[in-house]
Amino acid sequence: ILNVEQSPQSLHVQEGDSTNFTCSFPSSNFYALHWYRWETAKSPEALFVMTLNGDEKKKGRISATLNTKEGYSYLYIKGSQPEDSATYLCAFFLGGSQGNLIFGKGTKLSVKP
Amino acid sequence: EPEVTQTPSHQVTQMGQEVILRCVPISNHLYFYWYRQILGQKVEFLVSFYNNEISEKSEIFDDQFSVERPDGSNFTLKIRSTKLEDSAMYFCASRAGTPNSPLHFGNGTRLTVT
Repeated sequence: ILNVEQSPQSLHVQEGDSTNFTCSFPSSNFYALHWYRWETAKSPEALFVMTLNGDEKKKGRISATLNTKEGYSYLYIKGSQPEDSATYLCAFFLGGSQGNLIFGKGTKLSVKP
Repeated sequence: EPEVTQTPSHQVTQMGQEVILRCVPISNHLYFYWYRQILGQKVEFLVSFYNNEISEKSEIFDDQFSVERPDGSNFTLKIRSTKLEDSAMYFCASRAGTPNSPLHFGNGTRLTVT
Protein backbone atom coordinates (compact mmCIF):
# COMPACT_ATOMS: atom_id res chain seq x y z
CA ILE A 1 0.00 0.00 0.00
CA LEU A 2 1.49 3.34 -1.03
CA ASN A 3 1.83 5.77 1.83
CA VAL A 4 2.46 9.48 1.68
CA GLU A 5 3.35 11.00 5.05
CA GLN A 6 3.36 14.65 5.97
CA SER A 7 4.76 16.25 9.08
CA PRO A 8 4.00 18.01 11.22
CA GLN A 9 0.25 17.52 11.24
CA SER A 10 -0.25 21.12 12.34
CA LEU A 11 1.89 24.15 12.89
CA HIS A 12 1.27 27.47 14.61
CA VAL A 13 3.64 30.33 13.83
CA GLN A 14 3.77 34.07 14.29
CA GLU A 15 3.53 36.47 11.38
CA GLY A 16 7.01 36.97 9.94
CA ASP A 17 8.31 33.55 10.97
CA SER A 18 9.71 31.30 8.28
CA THR A 19 8.59 27.72 8.37
CA ASN A 20 8.93 24.42 6.58
CA PHE A 21 7.26 21.06 6.50
CA THR A 22 7.96 17.65 5.07
CA CYS A 23 6.38 15.18 2.70
CA SER A 24 7.70 11.60 2.54
CA PHE A 25 6.79 9.27 -0.31
CA PRO A 26 7.93 6.00 -1.88
CA SER A 27 11.33 6.47 -3.52
CA SER A 28 10.79 3.74 -6.12
CA ASN A 29 8.88 4.23 -9.38
CA PHE A 30 8.80 7.98 -8.92
CA TYR A 31 6.90 10.06 -11.49
CA ALA A 32 5.96 13.34 -9.90
CA LEU A 33 5.10 15.00 -6.63
CA HIS A 34 2.40 17.64 -6.36
CA TRP A 35 1.92 20.30 -3.69
CA TYR A 36 -1.50 21.85 -3.13
CA ARG A 37 -2.67 24.66 -0.88
CA TRP A 38 -6.14 24.27 0.63
CA GLU A 39 -7.77 27.20 2.33
CA THR A 40 -10.85 26.68 4.46
CA ALA A 41 -14.08 26.77 2.44
CA LYS A 42 -12.18 26.69 -0.85
CA SER A 43 -10.91 23.92 -3.10
CA PRO A 44 -7.29 22.70 -3.16
CA GLU A 45 -5.15 24.83 -5.44
CA ALA A 46 -2.02 23.55 -7.17
CA LEU A 47 1.27 25.06 -6.02
CA PHE A 48 3.94 22.93 -7.65
CA VAL A 49 4.38 19.81 -9.74
CA MET A 50 7.89 18.46 -9.21
CA THR A 51 9.44 15.76 -11.35
CA LEU A 52 13.24 15.77 -11.16
CA ASN A 53 15.53 14.88 -8.28
CA GLY A 54 17.02 18.09 -6.95
CA ASP A 55 14.16 20.20 -8.34
CA GLU A 56 13.60 23.45 -6.55
CA LYS A 57 10.53 25.51 -7.36
CA LYS A 58 9.43 28.89 -6.09
CA LYS A 59 6.23 30.91 -6.10
CA GLY A 60 6.56 34.18 -4.24
CA ARG A 61 7.51 33.39 -0.65
CA ILE A 62 6.80 29.69 -1.03
CA SER A 63 9.39 27.26 -2.33
CA ALA A 64 9.78 23.50 -2.48
CA THR A 65 12.62 21.05 -2.92
CA LEU A 66 12.59 17.44 -4.04
CA ASN A 67 14.77 14.44 -3.22
CA THR A 68 13.49 11.44 -5.13
CA LYS A 69 16.33 9.11 -4.08
CA GLU A 70 15.42 9.34 -0.41
CA GLY A 71 11.75 10.05 -0.99
CA TYR A 72 11.09 13.44 0.54
CA SER A 73 10.09 16.96 -0.37
CA TYR A 74 10.23 20.10 1.75
CA LEU A 75 7.92 23.07 1.46
CA TYR A 76 9.26 26.37 2.79
CA ILE A 77 7.38 29.56 3.53
CA LYS A 78 9.51 32.65 4.10
CA GLY A 79 8.10 35.39 6.31
CA SER A 80 4.70 33.78 6.93
CA GLN A 81 1.65 35.99 6.65
CA PRO A 82 -1.86 35.36 8.07
CA GLU A 83 -3.10 34.74 4.52
CA ASP A 84 -0.72 31.75 4.31
CA SER A 85 -2.93 29.97 6.83
CA ALA A 86 -4.16 26.86 5.05
CA THR A 87 -3.65 23.12 4.83
CA TYR A 88 -0.74 22.17 2.58
CA LEU A 89 -1.19 18.84 0.84
CA CYS A 90 1.41 16.84 -0.99
CA ALA A 91 0.41 14.11 -3.41
CA PHE A 92 2.38 11.35 -5.08
CA PHE A 93 1.55 10.91 -8.74
CA LEU A 94 1.28 7.24 -9.71
CA GLY A 95 2.40 7.79 -13.23
CA GLY A 96 1.09 7.37 -16.73
CA SER A 97 -1.31 9.75 -18.32
CA GLN A 98 -4.20 8.25 -16.38
CA GLY A 99 -2.50 7.88 -13.02
CA ASN A 100 -4.16 9.22 -9.96
CA LEU A 101 -2.67 11.03 -6.99
CA ILE A 102 -2.18 9.59 -3.52
CA PHE A 103 -2.50 12.39 -0.98
CA GLY A 104 -0.87 12.86 2.39
CA LYS A 105 -2.99 14.00 5.34
CA GLY A 106 -1.68 17.53 5.01
CA THR A 107 0.00 20.04 7.29
CA LYS A 108 -2.36 22.62 8.72
CA LEU A 109 -0.57 25.96 9.07
CA SER A 110 -1.95 28.76 11.25
CA VAL A 111 -0.19 32.13 11.13
CA LYS A 112 -1.03 34.51 13.96
CA PRO A 113 -0.84 38.25 13.30
CA GLU B 1 -9.54 31.62 -15.57
CA PRO B 2 -11.66 28.51 -16.24
CA GLU B 3 -12.65 26.53 -13.19
CA VAL B 4 -14.28 23.29 -12.14
CA THR B 5 -17.78 23.81 -10.79
CA GLN B 6 -19.72 21.48 -8.52
CA THR B 7 -23.35 21.42 -7.50
CA PRO B 8 -24.92 21.35 -5.05
CA SER B 9 -22.56 22.78 -2.45
CA HIS B 10 -24.37 20.89 0.30
CA GLN B 11 -26.65 17.87 0.04
CA VAL B 12 -28.53 16.32 2.94
CA THR B 13 -30.11 12.94 2.35
CA GLN B 14 -31.56 10.08 4.30
CA MET B 15 -29.83 6.75 4.56
CA GLY B 16 -30.78 4.46 1.67
CA GLN B 17 -31.58 7.30 -0.73
CA GLU B 18 -29.82 7.86 -4.03
CA VAL B 19 -27.79 11.01 -4.57
CA ILE B 20 -26.21 12.47 -7.67
CA LEU B 21 -23.32 14.89 -7.30
CA ARG B 22 -22.66 17.04 -10.33
CA CYS B 23 -19.47 18.49 -11.73
CA VAL B 24 -18.59 20.54 -14.78
CA PRO B 25 -14.86 20.06 -15.46
CA ILE B 26 -12.70 22.54 -17.37
CA SER B 27 -13.75 22.21 -20.98
CA ASN B 28 -10.49 21.17 -22.65
CA HIS B 29 -9.42 18.78 -19.90
CA LEU B 30 -9.27 15.08 -20.64
CA TYR B 31 -9.00 13.35 -17.25
CA PHE B 32 -11.61 13.51 -14.52
CA TYR B 33 -11.52 12.43 -10.93
CA TRP B 34 -13.62 12.15 -7.82
CA TYR B 35 -12.02 12.38 -4.40
CA ARG B 36 -13.61 12.58 -0.99
CA GLN B 37 -12.61 13.70 2.46
CA ILE B 38 -14.34 12.39 5.55
CA LEU B 39 -14.12 14.97 8.33
CA GLY B 40 -10.72 14.87 9.98
CA GLN B 41 -9.29 12.32 7.58
CA LYS B 42 -7.15 12.52 4.49
CA VAL B 43 -8.33 13.17 0.96
CA GLU B 44 -9.13 9.77 -0.62
CA PHE B 45 -9.16 8.80 -4.26
CA LEU B 46 -12.44 7.33 -5.52
CA VAL B 47 -12.26 7.07 -9.30
CA SER B 48 -10.61 8.40 -12.43
CA PHE B 49 -12.30 8.69 -15.81
CA TYR B 50 -10.78 9.06 -19.26
CA ASN B 51 -12.09 8.62 -22.78
CA ASN B 52 -15.63 7.97 -21.52
CA GLU B 53 -14.74 5.13 -19.23
CA ILE B 54 -13.41 4.47 -15.76
CA SER B 55 -9.63 4.14 -15.91
CA GLU B 56 -9.05 3.39 -12.24
CA LYS B 57 -11.09 3.03 -9.07
CA SER B 58 -10.33 2.53 -5.40
CA GLU B 59 -11.72 -0.04 -2.97
CA ILE B 60 -14.11 2.63 -1.72
CA PHE B 61 -15.75 2.81 -5.16
CA ASP B 62 -17.95 -0.28 -4.82
CA ASP B 63 -21.15 -1.25 -6.64
CA GLN B 64 -23.04 1.53 -4.90
CA PHE B 65 -21.03 4.14 -6.79
CA SER B 66 -21.14 5.02 -10.46
CA VAL B 67 -19.90 7.84 -12.65
CA GLU B 68 -21.15 9.22 -15.91
CA ARG B 69 -20.28 11.85 -18.42
CA PRO B 70 -23.71 12.02 -20.04
CA ASP B 71 -23.37 14.99 -22.35
CA GLY B 72 -19.69 15.76 -22.87
CA SER B 73 -19.62 18.50 -20.25
CA ASN B 74 -21.11 17.21 -16.99
CA PHE B 75 -19.39 14.56 -14.91
CA THR B 76 -21.60 12.99 -12.26
CA LEU B 77 -21.07 10.75 -9.26
CA LYS B 78 -24.06 8.67 -8.20
CA ILE B 79 -24.39 6.87 -4.91
CA ARG B 80 -27.29 4.43 -5.21
CA SER B 81 -28.14 3.73 -1.60
CA THR B 82 -26.36 6.07 0.76
CA LYS B 83 -24.94 4.96 4.09
CA LEU B 84 -24.08 7.07 7.11
CA GLU B 85 -20.39 6.53 6.39
CA ASP B 86 -20.77 8.15 2.97
CA SER B 87 -21.02 11.52 4.71
CA ALA B 88 -18.01 13.46 3.46
CA MET B 89 -16.85 16.31 1.27
CA TYR B 90 -16.75 15.12 -2.33
CA PHE B 91 -14.36 16.84 -4.71
CA CYS B 92 -14.38 16.65 -8.46
CA ALA B 93 -11.14 17.41 -10.29
CA SER B 94 -9.97 17.56 -13.87
CA ARG B 95 -6.60 17.56 -15.55
CA ALA B 96 -5.25 18.54 -18.93
CA GLY B 97 -3.63 16.03 -21.26
CA THR B 98 0.04 16.35 -20.33
CA PRO B 99 1.30 13.84 -17.72
CA ASN B 100 2.61 16.48 -15.31
CA SER B 101 -0.35 18.81 -15.38
CA PRO B 102 -1.87 19.48 -11.94
CA LEU B 103 -5.39 18.69 -10.81
CA HIS B 104 -7.92 21.49 -10.82
CA PHE B 105 -10.47 20.96 -8.09
CA GLY B 106 -14.03 22.12 -7.70
CA ASN B 107 -15.23 23.63 -4.41
CA GLY B 108 -16.73 20.36 -3.33
CA THR B 109 -20.13 19.03 -2.31
CA ARG B 110 -20.67 18.38 1.37
CA LEU B 111 -22.82 15.25 1.61
CA THR B 112 -24.58 14.62 4.90
CA VAL B 113 -26.38 11.29 5.29
CA THR B 114 -28.81 11.13 8.22
